[in-house]
Amino acid sequence: DAKTTQPNSMESNEEEPVHLPCNHSTISGTDYIHWYRQLPSQGPEYVIHGLTSNVNNRMASLAIAEDRKSSTLILHRATLRDAAVYYCILRAAQGGSEKLVFGKGTKLTVNP
Amino acid sequence: NAGVMQNPRHLVRRRGQEARLRCSPMKGHSHVYWYRQLPEEGLKFMVYLQKENIIDESGMPKERFSAEFPKEGPSILRIQQVVRGDSAAYFCASSPNRGRGELFFGEGSRLTVL
Repeated sequence: DAKTTQPNSMESNEEEPVHLPCNHSTISGTDYIHWYRQLPSQGPEYVIHGLTSNVNNRMASLAIAEDRKSSTLILHRATLRDAAVYYCILRAAQGGSEKLVFGKGTKLTVNP
Repeated sequence: NAGVMQNPRHLVRRRGQEARLRCSPMKGHSHVYWYRQLPEEGLKFMVYLQKENIIDESGMPKERFSAEFPKEGPSILRIQQVVRGDSAAYFCASSPNRGRGELFFGEGSRLTVL
């Protein structure tokens, strides 16, 4: 499985935007970029995923570099409820393992 | 539409006992994944099942652990002769398709071995 690299931790203030980076220099052409988050004492929660184009949903935006070797998860206005560990994961579209391989993720702290 | 249901949420076992963890996927989902999360660590893949079939068990310990997903009923993760090192949170996830889209996770079952 292709690897991703994320900062161990980041801090933000409430109601400010947050940009969570992820490097995936060994990404293959068919790998989707998935983001999940895990709030304390809860199961992981899907946030967003994309292939080449930037993606937006009600939770966040995903900005994907043109060469696809990096991406950024954008939370437009952080709230205290966004404090979680955020995981960037590559998932093969076909022919690869269907499982998600979680790394250590980025622990986001949101200050009031 | 109910989410992924796991039970029990908390389970305490003594060393040498058996633990059975159950996972009911979301309605219409026929793919189930089990993950383990040790205290202060990340999630580790254990096994991926489709109805009546084990697709990928590359993360399962070779001994004492088994999983099934019968045609009817929930998926079961079974741990025989538990040891203290089995204390962890066990998460189940389901999806409607193979290899595409998002996984929906349950709240987890927290196993404590005394």
